Amino acid sequence: GAVVSQHPSRVICKSGTSVKIECRSLDFQATTMFWYRQFPKQSLMLMATSNEGSKATYEQGVEKDKFLINHASLTLSTLTVTSAHPEDSSFYICSAGPPGGGNIQYFGAGTRLSVL
Amino acid sequence: AQSVTQLGSHVSVSEGALVLLRCNYSSSVPPYLFWYVQYPNQGLQLLLKYTSAATLVKGINGFEAEFKKSETSFHLTKPSAHMSDAAEYFCAVSDGGSNYKLTFGKGTLLTVNP
Repeated sequence: GAVVSQHPSRVICKSGTSVKIECRSLDFQATTMFWYRQFPKQSLMLMATSNEGSKATYEQGVEKDKFLINHASLTLSTLTVTSAHPEDSSFYICSAGPPGGGNIQYFGAGTRLSVL
Repeated sequence: AQSVTQLGSHVSVSEGALVLLRCNYSSSVPPYLFWYVQYPNQGLQLLLKYTSAATLVKGINGFEAEFKKSETSFHLTKPSAHMSDAAEYFCAVSDGGSNYKLTFGKGTLLTVNP
C-alpha cells in the first residue's frame, strides 16, 4: 500500500511556542490530505482538510488561526500549532489517499504533542 | 450526513476464540466502508474495505467483514483470535466523494486473553 510519513513522532514544547508537524506522501501525489486529533481512548476527530494550492477547509469548532495548515506541494502538508497551550496536548494524525485509490486513506504514524 | 456506531467499546476474547466487532452505519448514499486497526501510539492501518463489489470482504491478518445493506451493518470477524490482534479497531464510512472524507466510529478495544 501507499506510505504516508509523519514527523516528528513526538514533541514536547513549552507553553506559548509553536510546533510544526509534517505529513508526506512518499510514493504518490496527494491533492488532499486530512488532519485528525485523537484524545486518549477516543476516536479520531477530523480537524481539517488540506488542499494543495488552496486554503484548508476546517471543521466546525476548529480554530484556523490556532491550527495553521499549509499544503504547498502534492506530497507535503504541514500543521502548525501556534502558541501552544497544555490543552493542545494530544495525538495528531494525518492521512492521504492516492488518486483513483478507491477512497482508501493511508495514515501517518501520528505525532504525540505534549505542551508543558 | 454519515455516521458510524460501533457497539461495544471493549471486547474481550480468549486466544483461539471467534472475534466479532460490530459496526452499523448511516449514509444517504451508497457507502464506502472501512475497518482500521490502531496499535498503541501508532497511526491507523487499513484492515479491509468495502467499495460496492463483493459483500464479503477479506482483509489482512485473517479478518473479514460482511456488508449487509438491509441491516446497515459491516461487522468485522476473525475465526480465531491471536494475542497479536489486541488493539483498537475503528470502523469508518465515506460517501465516496472526491475528497475521501472519512467518518469514524468511536472504536472498539479488543483484548485477547491467553
